[in-house]
Parts: sequence; C-alpha cells; structure tokens
Amino acid sequence: ILNVEQSPQSLHVQEGDSTNFTCSFPSSNFYALHWYRWETAKSPEALFVMTLNGDEKKKGRISATLNTKEGYSYLYIKGSQPEDSATYLCAFTNQGGKLIFGQGTELSVKP
Amino acid sequence: NAGVTQTPKFRILKIGQSMTLQCTQDMNHNYMYWYRQDPGMGLKLIYYSVGAGITDKGEVPNGYNVSRSTTEDFPLRLELAAPSQTSVYFCASRSGRNFYNEQFFGPGTRLTVL
Repeated sequence: ILNVEQSPQSLHVQEGDSTNFTCSFPSSNFYALHWYRWETAKSPEALFVMTLNGDEKKKGRISATLNTKEGYSYLYIKGSQPEDSATYLCAFTNQGGKLIFGQGTELSVKP
Repeated sequence: NAGVTQTPKFRILKIGQSMTLQCTQDMNHNYMYWYRQDPGMGLKLIYYSVGAGITDKGEVPNGYNVSRSTTEDFPLRLELAAPSQTSVYFCASRSGRNFYNEQFFGPGTRLTVL
C-alpha cells in the first residue's frame, strides 16, 4: 500500500508569518511529486511538479523542495497572507502513473 | 475552453437509488480520473482511464462503475447508493504519457445519500 503523509493536518498563522509543512512519500519507484492548492468551494489547482532529487521550485512567496532519497518534500510560504488560506495537497506518482494524494494540510492565515 | 466540467453540482439520493455523475473535458486529454474527497482523508482515486475504451480501478472502486466511450466524457455510475457514498466527487484529466503533467480538476459534485 502506497502511503502519502502530510503534516501538520492543520495550521493557523498570523498574517506576515512564514510557515512550512511536510509531505512524506515512499522513496522507492519514485517518479514525481505534485503540490496542489485547494481553496474552499473550488477545485484543486497545481502549484508545482518536481521529479529530481534536490529540485527546488518557486512561485512568488511559495516554494518547495524535494528529497527523493529520504522520501519527503517541504512547502514553504514566506510572509503568509489571508489569501494563502487553503488546503495544500501533495501527491506522489510512482512508475505506475497514478497520483496518490496525502490528506492535506489546512492553512488558515488570520489578518 | 471550459476545461473540466462536472454535472450536477449537488445531488441528494435515497438509499438504493442510482445516478450518473457526468464529466467532460475539452482539452483532448487522454487520461481521466474520478476521486472522492472525504473530510480529513484527502482525495481517493475511484477509477481512471488512459484513453477511450480503457478503464481501470483505483483505490476505492467498490459501488461504482465507469465507461469511456469518447475522449471527452468519463461518466461515473452509482448503481445502489449507500450512505457511505456521501462525499464530494472530483473528476480530473491530464495530457500525455508523462506522469509529471499536472492534473486539471473539475468543480466537484457534492452527493448526499440519505
């Protein structure tokens, strides 16, 4: 059974705080690691896809790193804003091709 | 270009009723997926398809059926609705054979079985 674990399950921060959360995944047969941002009442939207060990991706104040050897990825948000409030999902793909999603980290940013 | 569309947006079913959740994409994507989302559980894959005429089971296929007669459409069928199928259902699609291509999600169908 392929298991993707995200921590923490939820996070409450103040506007301006920087924050990070973790995605753990099986390190064998790794193909890609996806991060999605999912706002309430909307559908998930892709943030990053990473495939190589040591990959770092950045989009504005959000960045992600990847360690395929130990099976984890970090998502960082610098200077959180209320509009960053969402659930952040990671998903692992092995060579079988299906995305296996974690349960998500729910971020709430208070003004 | 509408992307991935799903109908209906909301539905309430009685136990034992059947229904079909519709999913259509206009991006000419070969790969399509059905997920269900339960609180605190992330997204669980129900069924997926790698092209017209080809479907396969995901993690939680029991109680569901799918078909893929065209590239555009991937309907999900519930034959005998049960309260355990109360959930939000998302359809998604992606292009190509590269598994790092992002998936595009539809807006979801919220189903309640009473």
